[in-house]
Amino acid sequence: EPEVTQTPSHQVTQMGQEVILRCVPISNHLYFYWYRQILGQKVEFLVSFYNNEISEKSEIFDDQFSVERPDGSNFTLKIRSTKLEDSAMYFCASSEPPGALRNTEAFFGQGTRLTVV
Amino acid sequence: LAKTTQPISMDSYEGQEVNITCSHNNIATNDYITWYQQFPSQGPRFIIQGYKTKVTNEVASLFIPADRKSSTLSLPRVSLSDTAVYYCLVGPNKLIFGAGTRLAVHP
Repeated sequence: EPEVTQTPSHQVTQMGQEVILRCVPISNHLYFYWYRQILGQKVEFLVSFYNNEISEKSEIFDDQFSVERPDGSNFTLKIRSTKLEDSAMYFCASSEPPGALRNTEAFFGQGTRLTVV
Repeated sequence: LAKTTQPISMDSYEGQEVNITCSHNNIATNDYITWYQQFPSQGPRFIIQGYKTKVTNEVASLFIPADRKSSTLSLPRVSLSDTAVYYCLVGPNKLIFGAGTRLAVHP
């Protein structure tokens, strides 16, 4: 079964440093997403990406965050100047383009656990 | 975007049928209803999706009444491995998760 892969599985970084979280979406998918989940809390939407541009973003996704699809397979989330409160599990997901009336199934990766110290 | 309301938690025992209901009073005509499952330290996983009436797959059934203002996820004969958080999502193309329902299955 095709799957979304994320690397690294765990990253520890010092406060103020920049981190890049990497994702390889399912190959024929065209919609990509980043979510985060702080320990014990709900899954929070960060951003969706389609056709090489951001299609939607949440209030959480401020200037500290950026996304990029540097080549035909990778999708990255960059967090600049990390803060302690950025510590969370970050999930990447991908889906086919939603049809006119469908809420398309999204496939999630296993996540990257980011710890900011 | 339709707001969803689910019970915060539920408890069940192995072998029982579990029904989790989600309220979505302001669901729009274009909205589908989708349920995801999440195990600890894993990403959410798609379970089932429907628009109206009943949908069944190898994992679960989804019951949607005619007014579509609620939906019920039915898990037949749960096992310990069904212990997870279950999310109900409503929308045309946006994946916004609520707090979900934490299901605990006991021996």
